[in-house]
Amino acid sequence: GAGVSQSPSNKVTEKGKDVELRCDPISGHTALYWYRQSLGQGLEFLIYFQGNSAPDKSGLPSDRFSAERTGGSVSTLTIQRTQQEDSAVYLCASSPGTTTGELFFGEGSRLTVL
Amino acid sequence: GENVEQHPSTLSVQEGDSAVIKCTYSDSASNYFPWYKQELGKRPQLIIDIRSNVGEKKDQRIAVTLNKTAKHFSLHITETQPEDSAVYFCAASKNPGAGSYQLTFGKGTKLSVIP
Repeated sequence: GAGVSQSPSNKVTEKGKDVELRCDPISGHTALYWYRQSLGQGLEFLIYFQGNSAPDKSGLPSDRFSAERTGGSVSTLTIQRTQQEDSAVYLCASSPGTTTGELFFGEGSRLTVL
Repeated sequence: GENVEQHPSTLSVQEGDSAVIKCTYSDSASNYFPWYKQELGKRPQLIIDIRSNVGEKKDQRIAVTLNKTAKHFSLHITETQPEDSAVYFCAASKNPGAGSYQLTFGKGTKLSVIP
């Protein structure tokens, strides 16, 4: 079966523009996560969706960041008025919602803000 | 919130030697500790995990140990091979209930295995 799919794989944008990053999780996975990976840094938690529960947005760095998950499947991470410090790889992961806890990551979307 | 510290940030070993990566966590309620491997340009993938009711777990050449009292856990790789070269991330989480886990990751260790 298909893994977690993310698009675009690369995005170059100008400072101040808005960007949308898309994540298509593994079918049937109820949990979906967004992480940010900056050069030489670890995986920074951004937001977490679990089924129909309210998302955990505690990791979003500013109000320029938002995410939604439609129909319990595809998710979109939106960054408004991008800044150079937003440049990073944005990783999406999904998990079955069982007790295993394993996250299945996508290949990531590399965002470069000029 | 949870804070995970990981050491060392870089590690070079000769092929065939062992490698050890150590992590500490802050939240005593954390009960799940996975390790992810990320090869250059690839996605992170789970290689081994341990839960708080177990002190050690092995899978072929890799093992993880957990000391709940000291709040630290370690990854051990024996008989290292060039294909073990990658960035390794530890993580910790607590499960508030049945279902998925919110993970806090360490900053990663870049392991280089020298042939």
